[in-house]
Amino acid sequence: DAGVIQSPRHEVTEMGQEVTLRCKPISGHNSLFWYRQTMMRGLELLIYFNNNVPIDDSGMPEDRFSAKMPNASFSTLKIQPSEPRDSAVYFCASSTPKVKETQYFGPGTRLLVL
Amino acid sequence: GNSVTQMEGPVTLSEEAFLTINCTYTATGYPSLFWYVQYPGEGLQLLLKATKADDKGSNKGFEATYRKETTSFHLEKGSVQVSDSAVYFCALSFYGNNRLAFGKGNQVVVIP
Repeated sequence: DAGVIQSPRHEVTEMGQEVTLRCKPISGHNSLFWYRQTMMRGLELLIYFNNNVPIDDSGMPEDRFSAKMPNASFSTLKIQPSEPRDSAVYFCASSTPKVKETQYFGPGTRLLVL
Repeated sequence: GNSVTQMEGPVTLSEEAFLTINCTYTATGYPSLFWYVQYPGEGLQLLLKATKADDKGSNKGFEATYRKETTSFHLEKGSVQVSDSAVYFCALSFYGNNRLAFGKGNQVVVIP
């Protein structure tokens, strides 16, 4: 089975530009999570969805960040406008009630904002 | 709130040495406990888990025992290999709650 798929794997952009990160969860999984990882702050949960509905977005840093899940097989995390402090690795993870409480992570998108 | 604390700083050790990484937690009720591992350039993957007190999770030679009395879930491996070099994260979750609370992670470097 394919794991969680994220694209792009690497993104370099300039401050002020819009950035869109994409995630395809494992088929059949009904929960999806977006995380951000930095050296300073470690792994932070930004938002998570259950059955395509956002459940908790309290980790979204500010209004520049938005996330959508239009269907069960696709989610996006958008940053507009991007800033250098947004540079990080962004992970998507998914889970299924069949394997309780276990999350399956994608390979991550490494974002550098210049 | 629910939180996980891991020992500070990276861990550097020689091949075949014994590895311990400490993890303690704060939670109401009885969470499930996890160790995730992140190899260089990859996402996190589940290493092992325990869902109730006194359970022992094990995988790839790693073990951790859920200790309710000391609120701990320390990770151990008797003889590490270079291929065990990675970042190890302790985490907790509650049944029925999809969220995981992660510790800050420990970088483990195994030297040949």
